[in-house]
Amino acid sequence: ETGVTQSPTHLIKTRGQQVTLRCSSQSGHNTVSWYQQALGQGPQFIFQYYREEENGRGNFPPRFSGLQFPNYSSELNVNALELDDSALYLCASSTRRSGRTGNEQFFGPGTRLTVL
Amino acid sequence: TQLLEQSPQFLSIQEGENLTVYCNSSSVFSSLQWYRQEPGEGPVLLVTVVTGGEVKKLKRLTFQFGDARKDSSLHITAAQPGDTGLYLCAGEGGGTYKYIFGTGTRLKVLA
Repeated sequence: ETGVTQSPTHLIKTRGQQVTLRCSSQSGHNTVSWYQQALGQGPQFIFQYYREEENGRGNFPPRFSGLQFPNYSSELNVNALELDDSALYLCASSTRRSGRTGNEQFFGPGTRLTVL
Repeated sequence: TQLLEQSPQFLSIQEGENLTVYCNSSSVFSSLQWYRQEPGEGPVLLVTVVTGGEVKKLKRLTFQFGDARKDSSLHITAAQPGDTGLYLCAGEGGGTYKYIFGTGTRLKVLA
C-alpha cells in the first residue's frame, strides 16, 4: 500500500504565473483535502474533493481551484500567483464513511512553493 | 468561523521534564486530532478523540478531549529529544468532514 505522494517537491515561480500541484491519494481513499501552510503556522484548509466534486472550501479566492480524477488523485491550480502564495501546500487523503466522524487523514510530504 | 488556539506557541525544555500543550476553541467539534510535524514533512496523526471527556494514552503521551468538546490537551511525560517537533491540533466541524487546524506548538527538547 503506497502512501500519499505529491509532486513536485519544490517549485519556484514569479508573480502572475500559474501553477499546478499534484497529489496521489492513498489506495482506497476517496477524499482529498488541500491545505496551505505558511512558515511557522498551522495548515489552512483550502478545499476538499469527494468523488470528483468539490465538497467545501476555506477562505481562499477563486484563483485557487482544483480537480479530482476518477482514480481519486487530485490537482491544485493557482492562477495569478502572488508573493503571499509562497507556502508549503499539503494534500491529505482519507476515506469518508457516512455517519462516521474522526476519519483519519494521511498527509503527503507537501510541495514547497516559492513565488518571487 | 471556527478557530483553534494552541498554547504555548513555543516550548523549550530539558530532557526528562513534563509538559502540557493546550488547544482551545469557542466552537464544538465532532472530533479532534493531534498531529506531529517534522521539518519538510507533512503532519503525522498521533491520535483522534471523539467523545467528550475521552482520554487516550500513547506511550508517554496522554490526550484529553474536553467534556464540551471545545478543547483538548496533550501531556508528555519525561520528554525526550525525539519528541521535538511541531504539534498541531485539528478539529472536525460537525458533519463537515473538514478539519480546522490550530496555530501549532513548536516543542524543542534539549538533551
